[in-house]
Amino acid sequence: GIQVEQSPPDLILQEGANSTLRCNFSDSVNNLQWFHQNPWGQLINLFYIPSGTKQNGRLSATTVATERYSLLYISSSQTTDSGVYFCAVHTSGTYKYIFGTGTRLKVLA
Amino acid sequence: DVKVTQSSRYLVKRTGEKVFLECVQDMDHENMFWYRQDPGLGLRLIYFSYDVKMKEKGDIPEGYSVSREKKERFSLILESASTNQTSMYLCAISRRPLGYGYTFGSGTRLTVV
Repeated sequence: GIQVEQSPPDLILQEGANSTLRCNFSDSVNNLQWFHQNPWGQLINLFYIPSGTKQNGRLSATTVATERYSLLYISSSQTTDSGVYFCAVHTSGTYKYIFGTGTRLKVLA
Repeated sequence: DVKVTQSSRYLVKRTGEKVFLECVQDMDHENMFWYRQDPGLGLRLIYFSYDVKMKEKGDIPEGYSVSREKKERFSLILESASTNQTSMYLCAISRRPLGYGYTFGSGTRLTVV
């Protein structure tokens, strides 16, 4: 089955810094989502981005489907950005999304 | 906004009890899913349903059952809770086809003692 790898596994930033999180996948995908899991455990959908670039405030994401990767950019990080970021992919003919192992982000005040 | 409501944020149950976890959505989405999340193991699919009264096993269905009598409600049942079912349980919904993406509920942290 498809493999989804995220890097880095852990990241510590000072408030105000920028960061880039990466998601590599081993096969063609129909869809890709980025989620933020907050400290209370809820998974919040950030982007639905099978290809191209999207922006939402300080966050943006780019998926290059032909090269099988996606990037999540966080600019001017805030302590509330702390948590775990997951990418998840869906491939044709499957009944579920496959999740990456996540990037744990800690933003220090 | 899409709303997915899980009945409890935290739950403590005793070994051997029958446990019901409820998930209710207000968006008329066809697909509903139950995942569990454990440190080091990621998110694992337990069961999913693509229509009323329909259910399919996911990757780890053993020890669980589900019920979907109404479109908006998907229940996860632990017939006889065991300590190895202590976990974070997450409900997700999506439209059909699945490529439209997931929306998750807030999760239930279940502890079995």
